[in-house]
Amino acid sequence: KAGVTQTPRYLIKTRGQQVTLSCSPISGHRSVSWYQQTPGQGLQFLFEYFSETQRNKGNFPGRFSGRQFSNSRSEMNVSTLELGDSALYLCASSLLVASSGANVLTFGAGSRLTVL
Amino acid sequence: KQEVTQIPAALSVPEGENLVLNCSFTDSAIYNLQWFRQDPGKGLTSLLLIQSSQREQTSGRLNASLDKSSGRSTLYIAASQPGDSATYLCAVEETSGSRLTFGEGTQLTVNP
Repeated sequence: KAGVTQTPRYLIKTRGQQVTLSCSPISGHRSVSWYQQTPGQGLQFLFEYFSETQRNKGNFPGRFSGRQFSNSRSEMNVSTLELGDSALYLCASSLLVASSGANVLTFGAGSRLTVL
Repeated sequence: KQEVTQIPAALSVPEGENLVLNCSFTDSAIYNLQWFRQDPGKGLTSLLLIQSSQREQTSGRLNASLDKSSGRSTLYIAASQPGDSATYLCAVEETSGSRLTFGEGTQLTVNP
């Protein structure tokens, strides 16, 4: 079965521009979460969507936003890009295992954003 | 605020050696703890998930333990191989849902 697909894999933008990243979850997974990974801060939670609703949000400025569509695909948008936004953006889809209550996450390969 | 720390930050061992990676967390009220592996430039691969009611989980040469009361977890890798070279991350989930708090990771190099 197909994994989590993130597009684009690599992109270069300049300060002040905006960017949209896409994530297609595993079929049947309704929860999608986003993380930012940088060498200095490590992996930090951005937000999580479930059934088109934002269920959790991390501590990031309003320039970072996201949405989820009815087919569970998700996009995240960063406006007015800053140099510090250069990072690997990872998306994960998850399936709650009813029998155990465990939330099993599967991550995509990530979108590497470079801001010049 | 939950903080997750991993020690050591980097580790280099000869092939065949058994090794232990450490993870500590500040708030013991966790829902579960997961260990992930990340290869350079790639996403994360889930290795083991330990629920708060469990003490350990095993998968092949990997064994992860959890001691909630002391806020610690260890990942034991037996008979290490060069293919085990990667960054290993632990993450805690505080309530049911997909928000994880990650440690900084341990970069492991297994030399042939």
